[in-house]
Amino acid sequence: NAGVTQTPKFQVLKTGQSMTLQCAQDMNHEYMSWYRQDPGMGLRLIHYSVGAGITDQGEVPNGYNVSRSTTEDFPLRLLSAAPSQTSVYFCASRPHGRASGNTIYFGEGSWLTVV
Amino acid sequence: RKEVEQDPGPFNVPEGATVAFNCTYSNSASQSFFWYRQDCRKEPKLLMSVYSSGNEDGRFTAQLNRASQYISLLIRDSKLSDSATYLCVVITNYGGSQGNLIFGKGTKLSVKP
Repeated sequence: NAGVTQTPKFQVLKTGQSMTLQCAQDMNHEYMSWYRQDPGMGLRLIHYSVGAGITDQGEVPNGYNVSRSTTEDFPLRLLSAAPSQTSVYFCASRPHGRASGNTIYFGEGSWLTVV
Repeated sequence: RKEVEQDPGPFNVPEGATVAFNCTYSNSASQSFFWYRQDCRKEPKLLMSVYSSGNEDGRFTAQLNRASQYISLLIRDSKLSDSATYLCVVITNYGGSQGNLIFGKGTKLSVKP
């Protein structure tokens, strides 16, 4: 039972480089989301999706793109990395339409450093 | 005002102590409330949901006061393994938020021998 799988776990980028953080879930969850976590800031929502073909912005979307071509995958793209994007990124999923957080599943996190 | 606010701590307590964490939320339309636990360099994991009538799970008791927009978590008989950051989480369904989870910044607990 894989749950939510994020890759890579660690990545160092140079300013201006692009990269994609991958997220996949095997639970047929409609809702998927990306958070970033910075010291003293808590988890902040970047983008989310309530189903294939549907994405929307969260609290801090600037500098990030997402797509949802399948139910299983929700990649997060950094088009031109900046040092301010140094953070820990978490992908999460849950069934949509249920206001119940006890079914949200997080990936193990991706540690990104932009130099 | 931040939607969900918590005392950042750290709370340094001896084993066996009772410790209480508080959390306030700003949106009265908030509908669901939770406490998550996050260990260092790990993902958040659900500790317990919070119900209006209050609920208990072993040494952990959660309470909700909708009138004051206040949530609490009480840990009795603290164990070394309780050392972690505790996140207050709120779901508010309004506008296009689609029931997104809003996290507080977390309260760090360190239980010492």
